[in-house]
Amino acid sequence: DAGVIQSPRHEVTEMGQEVTLRCKPISGHNSLFWYRQTMMRGLELLIYFNNNVPIDDSGMPEDRFSAKMPNASFSTLKIQPSEPRDSAVYFCASSFGAGGSYEQYFGPGTRLTVT
Amino acid sequence: QQQVKQSPQSLIVQKGGISIINCAYENTAFDYFPWYQQFPGKGPALLIAIRPDVSEKKEGRFTISFNKSAKQFSLHIMDSQPGDSATYFCAASNPGSYKLIFGSGTRLLVRP
Repeated sequence: DAGVIQSPRHEVTEMGQEVTLRCKPISGHNSLFWYRQTMMRGLELLIYFNNNVPIDDSGMPEDRFSAKMPNASFSTLKIQPSEPRDSAVYFCASSFGAGGSYEQYFGPGTRLTVT
Repeated sequence: QQQVKQSPQSLIVQKGGISIINCAYENTAFDYFPWYQQFPGKGPALLIAIRPDVSEKKEGRFTISFNKSAKQFSLHIMDSQPGDSATYFCAASNPGSYKLIFGSGTRLLVRP
């Protein structure tokens, strides 16, 4: 299996622009997670999907962030408009089950820089 | 109470030495404690995990020690190698919960 695939790997954009991050989970996994990693705040869970349905979006920082999972093999995280404080590494992870004890497989991440 | 406190923030060990990273928690309901390893430019990957019904779990050079009464668990890396240089995260989760509560991470450098 190719593992979790994320694109782009790097994104540099100007403040105010729309940014879309993409994720393809591992085939057969029914849980998908979006995380943000920064030096100051560490790894933060942004949103969790189970069977393509958003279950918990309490970690989404504000309305500028939105996430979708139109099917089992694709998810997007959108930031509109982007701000410099959104600069971080964004990870997508997937797992076979819904419980925390199921191993989460992380993608390589998207490093976002907003100038 | 949902936090997991990890220390030290960074650690330098000579090749062949023992690396020890500690984590503490308050929520006694946590029932799953994984450690994730992250290399630069990569996503975290599960290294080893333990449940509170055992006090120790060993996989190769990596051992988790769990002290339920002290609400602490630690990762020991025996015979540390330069290839072990990475950031290590402890985590915990509640029964049946999808959410992993991550520690703040420890950056390990193993000198040749």
